[in-house]
Amino acid sequence: AQKVTQAQTEISVVEKEDVTLDCVYETRDTTYYLFWYKQPPSGELVFLIRRNSFDEQNEISGRYSWNFQKSTSSFNFTITASQVVDSAVYFCALSEAQGAGSYQLTFGKGTKLSVIP
Amino acid sequence: DGGITQSPKYLFRKEGQNVTLSCEQNLNHDAMYWYRQDPGQGLRLIYYSQIVNDFQKGDIAEGYSVSREKKESFPLTVTSAQKNPTAFYLCASTQGLSSYNEQFFGPGTRLTVL
Repeated sequence: AQKVTQAQTEISVVEKEDVTLDCVYETRDTTYYLFWYKQPPSGELVFLIRRNSFDEQNEISGRYSWNFQKSTSSFNFTITASQVVDSAVYFCALSEAQGAGSYQLTFGKGTKLSVIP
Repeated sequence: DGGITQSPKYLFRKEGQNVTLSCEQNLNHDAMYWYRQDPGQGLRLIYYSQIVNDFQKGDIAEGYSVSREKKESFPLTVTSAQKNPTAFYLCASTQGLSSYNEQFFGPGTRLTVL
């Protein structure tokens, strides 16, 4: 069965610091998709990025970057020069293409990030 | 504006009562989902529906029921059989039937049992 682990429950950083949120996943499928979502205090989850299992290229979007490594089953998320608006709970999620978990998202327990001004 | 609406935002219920949470989407998405979120537990899947008049149980379906009579609507009923219903409930939808597609989420309903 698929599983997503976010070992960091809460992280606090001072504004302008860089921070990395860890995500480790387990799946038996060879084709799968990894996602990151942001949940601000308002509660609604916001999609940030998707990665498929055949694309290990790292991605950068502004201050956000993602490092996908199949060898370690990790999909880590780094925020550079953090800002107070980055304060939120961040979820990593996995969807299998063909296994029992297809069409479903399995979420990690989330990492609460607090950016202190 | 296209999106997902959930109502009400806050809901209070007495023990032993059934309550229905509304979820409507105007994105023309095929699949819809209900999740439950508890502090420190992440999101857990209750039910999902890939097509009208069809739905599947998720990981924690006991004590819940759903219907999908229209493509745009997927209401969730929390029954009196649900032993610990106080939680934050999120509805989501996705285009097509592919694991590749990201899910879009509504603003959630916070249910409190008094």
